[in-house]
Amino acid sequence: DTAVSQTPKYLVTQMGNDKSIKCEQNLGHDTMYWYKQDSKKFLKIMFSYNNKELIINETVPNRFSPKSPDKAHLNLHINSLELGDSAVYFCASSQGVAEGFFGQGTRLTVV
Amino acid sequence: GENVEQHPSTLSVQEGDSAVIKCTYSDSASNYFPWYKQELGKRPQLIIDIRSNVGEKKDQRIAVTLNKTAKHFSLHITETQPEDSAVYFCAASFTGGGNKLTFGTGTQLKVEL
Repeated sequence: DTAVSQTPKYLVTQMGNDKSIKCEQNLGHDTMYWYKQDSKKFLKIMFSYNNKELIINETVPNRFSPKSPDKAHLNLHINSLELGDSAVYFCASSQGVAEGFFGQGTRLTVV
Repeated sequence: GENVEQHPSTLSVQEGDSAVIKCTYSDSASNYFPWYKQELGKRPQLIIDIRSNVGEKKDQRIAVTLNKTAKHFSLHITETQPEDSAVYFCAASFTGGGNKLTFGTGTQLKVEL
């Protein structure tokens, strides 16, 4: 059973399009996150939700909008995609300050 | 906010040698320090973690040490094997910080035969 699953795994799209990435965790964790990993492998947090409430919103363009319909799901919607948005996006979850379990990543390529 | 520095950025060792990766953090409130291994094209996976009430933790060939006073923590891998080749990330977080993990910049470890 996959603990944290995100879809799609690959996403190729044109500049200006809008796209969504979905994430689900079956671990019963109370906190979910979105991380961005750029071409240099830097892992940077974008958002964090605790029990469906937004608790961390790093300096991310407002073209990125997370949505958490329930504590097991955290989706990421991106409007007006730009070339610089190309990266691998990881969803993760944790129970409090503890091990973060990562999804398999979504490789977004904007052309 | 928290800032985590990690060194070296690349590390090449011979099989059987030891490897050490070092991190420093800036926020004295940080109390949880995990290490992640990321193989090419895969997700980061936890290999070991340590909390601020402990100075050292071992798990077979892997150990982590923490010096709270100096705000340093290190990963030690002994008897390295080719399958240890990967990118390793340190991270720090603290209770009350939204459980946010701040990652170091990563170390590409290559274990050569």
